[in-house]
Amino acid sequence: QVQLQESGPGLVKPSQTLSLTCTVSGGSISSGSYYWSWIRQPAGKGLEWIGRIYTSGSTNYNPSLKSRVTISVDTSKNQFSLKLSSVTAADTAVYYCARETGEFDYWGQGTLVTVSS
Amino acid sequence: QSALTQPASVSGSPGQSITISCTGTSSDVGGYNYVSWYQQHPGKAPKLMIYDVSNRPSGVSNRFSGSKSGNTASLTISGLQAEDEADYYCSSYTSSSTLVFGTGTKVTVL
Repeated sequence: QVQLQESGPGLVKPSQTLSLTCTVSGGSISSGSYYWSWIRQPAGKGLEWIGRIYTSGSTNYNPSLKSRVTISVDTSKNQFSLKLSSVTAADTAVYYCARETGEFDYWGQGTLVTVSS
Repeated sequence: QSALTQPASVSGSPGQSITISCTGTSSDVGGYNYVSWYQQHPGKAPKLMIYDVSNRPSGVSNRFSGSKSGNTASLTISGLQAEDEADYYCSSYTSSSTLVFGTGTKVTVL
């Protein structure tokens, strides 16, 4: 059974960079034809897809966030990571990582990141 | 990219059937069969309910079904139960090699 777990600071100051890591267990991040995605959800609002990475390292990003987002993968640690630069209060949200093959079949539990000074 | 359009809320009585629509464009919903649906209870991560328009993952009740016509996908819940009360989101692959979610629908069991 594949499991995903997000980790990282719960509080980030405005203008700084948000950094999160997703650790995958129960299977190799390199096996199969899977993408690994980041998704966020502000309190009381809907889901927003941030971007994804393939195990080859190729990435796709939400055009509205593309200038600030970097997603990377570390196959040796079975992890993939999210960096979101120049954050503002509008980036405060629960951030989820998920496995994707057109649909998101496995999700992490989510981690709340608050942007505040 | 614009979010797919869903009704803000849908309600029904126990045992009834309800349908949630998800409207996009020919560049997303209408152009691909990579439409999926998610159920989200408060404070929980979303759960995959339907993938590839109409397929159910193992373990998902057959009361949930999906379909698509043109640029609009639909999720039908039959035999509505109290446990179905949740938020529902659709998602689609797009022609830009990105993914997009719907605006979300709150289902209330009366």
